[in-house]
Amino acid sequence: QKEVEQNSGPLSVPEGAIASLNCTYSDRGSQSFFWYRQYSGKSPELIMFIYSNGDKEDGRFTAQLNKASQYVSLLIRDSQPSDSATYLCAGGLFGNEKLTFGTGTRLTIIP
Amino acid sequence: GAVVSQHPSRVICKSGTSVKIECRSLDFQATTMFWYRQFPKQSLMLMATSNEGSKATYEQGVEKDKFLINHASLTLSTLTVTSAHPEDSSFYICSCTGTGQGEQYFGPGTRLTVT
Repeated sequence: QKEVEQNSGPLSVPEGAIASLNCTYSDRGSQSFFWYRQYSGKSPELIMFIYSNGDKEDGRFTAQLNKASQYVSLLIRDSQPSDSATYLCAGGLFGNEKLTFGTGTRLTIIP
Repeated sequence: GAVVSQHPSRVICKSGTSVKIECRSLDFQATTMFWYRQFPKQSLMLMATSNEGSKATYEQGVEKDKFLINHASLTLSTLTVTSAHPEDSSFYICSCTGTGQGEQYFGPGTRLTVT
């Protein structure tokens, strides 16, 4: 059974601080990993994906992948109240295979 | 990112009727589309995977005769909820992939209420 686990939270972070979201996965065959943001009542929105060990930065967001530890993380710098949402981690193979989603971490940025 | 649309965004139907939901990829050809369901405060649940021109692959526990999926073209997939019941009330979301990296782009979702 492929599993992706996330801390369910909720996670509260002061505005302007760094929010750190973590995810572990059980399937060593997983090759690509995705972070989605989902606002309440809305569908998920892709933030970033990563498939190489190390860091990948995009604006205020940094995804980190450690395949040896089977660990993926998302850092949000200079957190804003608009970052308050549920963040979903997902893992999968290259191509068009289905993804395995975690249950999500609810993040609240406190003004 | 890729743009995916869904129609309708909200639908209310009576118990026993059928409802069709459309999912379209607007700016790319989606070789694979996925249908999810999400109940309030719960995580996404994959219902089925569909590839253009072939039968959908349903997840365990999802009734294929109740949730009919048609993926007639590289830009359109439909989900029909047949003989809907109140317990089918949920948020139905489609996603599309086709760029080869595996990332899925989600439609805005359809909120179904069965009375």
